[in-house]
Amino acid sequence: AQKITQTQPGMFVQEKEAVTLDCTYDTSDPSYGLFWYKQPSSGEMIFLIYQGSYDQQNATEGRYSLNFQKARKSANLVISASQLGDSAMYFCAMRENNQAGTALIFGKGTTLSVSS
Amino acid sequence: EAGVAQSPRYKIIEKRQSVAFWCNPISGHATLYWYQQILGQGPKLLIQFQNNGVVDDSQLPKDRFSAERLKGVDSTLKIQPAKLEDSAVYLCASSLAQGYNEQFFGPGTRLTVL
Repeated sequence: AQKITQTQPGMFVQEKEAVTLDCTYDTSDPSYGLFWYKQPSSGEMIFLIYQGSYDQQNATEGRYSLNFQKARKSANLVISASQLGDSAMYFCAMRENNQAGTALIFGKGTTLSVSS
Repeated sequence: EAGVAQSPRYKIIEKRQSVAFWCNPISGHATLYWYQQILGQGPKLLIQFQNNGVVDDSQLPKDRFSAERLKGVDSTLKIQPAKLEDSAVYLCASSLAQGYNEQFFGPGTRLTVL
């Protein structure tokens, strides 16, 4: 079973609008972390935001916020006031804290296109 | 602060040839990861090092892939012999310590196997 599911292959939004990128996850580990990364066409992975499974409040970082719904096992990324430079691939990822390693498990990604 | 460095950026080889990739993590970062990203997919872990020890190599195809981090700083990933399905971007990432939230990624090495 997939541990991270991103069901939107592509999303389109106009500049200055808000957009939500969906992510659902599957884990039996009570302690885990959820991450969002941006990958522009240059290929480098850029860390955007982190949410811990025990965090009471939704994480926010500037124009990025994470809509964490634990019961639904969803961790959607909300980008407010989209900019042309937000056009990129976005990956949701999870780290299960009770595993031997601390590597990230990534979804397949969502391509975001922002138009003027 | 310098980021994670990787070389080469691009490599084209024929199947059954050998290839090696190099990664220099951010100074002071104890944890180093190698991920494989096949076109259209998210990165998948190949191996994780903590200093010069292997933490997780469960997804490394050990019959053809090997990796080392001898002095606990830079690392080399080798493929010998390469197969067509090894065509991918190989990403190196580092973090300050295990469990530290942020992993910093390098620019990747794009490998094409013909």
